[in-house]
Amino acid sequence: AQTVTQSQPEMSVQEAETVTLSCTYDTSENNYYLFWYKQPPSRQMILVIRQEAYKQQNATENRFSVNFQKAAKSFSLKISDSQLGDTAMYFCAFMKLGLYSGAGSYQLTFGKGTKLSVIP
Amino acid sequence: DGGITQSPKYLFRKEGQNVTLSCEQNLNHDAMYWYRQDPGQGLRLIYYSQIVNDFQKGDIAEGYSVSREKKESFPLTVTSAQKNPTAFYLCASSKTWRRVDYEQYFGPGTRLTVT
Repeated sequence: AQTVTQSQPEMSVQEAETVTLSCTYDTSENNYYLFWYKQPPSRQMILVIRQEAYKQQNATENRFSVNFQKAAKSFSLKISDSQLGDTAMYFCAFMKLGLYSGAGSYQLTFGKGTKLSVIP
Repeated sequence: DGGITQSPKYLFRKEGQNVTLSCEQNLNHDAMYWYRQDPGQGLRLIYYSQIVNDFQKGDIAEGYSVSREKKESFPLTVTSAQKNPTAFYLCASSKTWRRVDYEQYFGPGTRLTVT
């Protein structure tokens, strides 16, 4: 079974500054995807960024980027130029990729989340 | 606009009553999922369905039941057998369960309170 660990329950950052959220995972799989989801106070889950494990290049989406260290099983999220709208819970998630439709294939396993507050 | 709707946003029930949470999507997605979220916890998978008339148990299926009679709809019933039903429930869908269309889109959620 896969596990996802987010060691920072809460973090804060000044507006316009940069913050990094940590995520580690444990798996024996070689093919998988990793995700960061954002859940603002509205509680709507929003996909922030995704990373395919077979890709060495770190994914980037505007102000959001990841540092994917496959050997260390680490997947941190960096938010640059933090904005007030970035205030939210952030969840790291793991998806195993199966060749066939079987139990556990394509399911998301979530960490417990990091509550990020952006301070004006 | 295409998307996933969950109704109602807030639901209150007495202990011992079954309650059904609605999830509808107009994205033409094949796969649908139900997650439960508790305070201080990540999301945990209850049930998922890869195609119509088929569904599989997730990690915490006990006390829950689902049906998938239509592609657009995946209702979740919280039965009286569920020991701690009060939680936030999220429905999600993905285009297919296959590799290239794996991204899951989430609905706005339903907050269920059982007293």
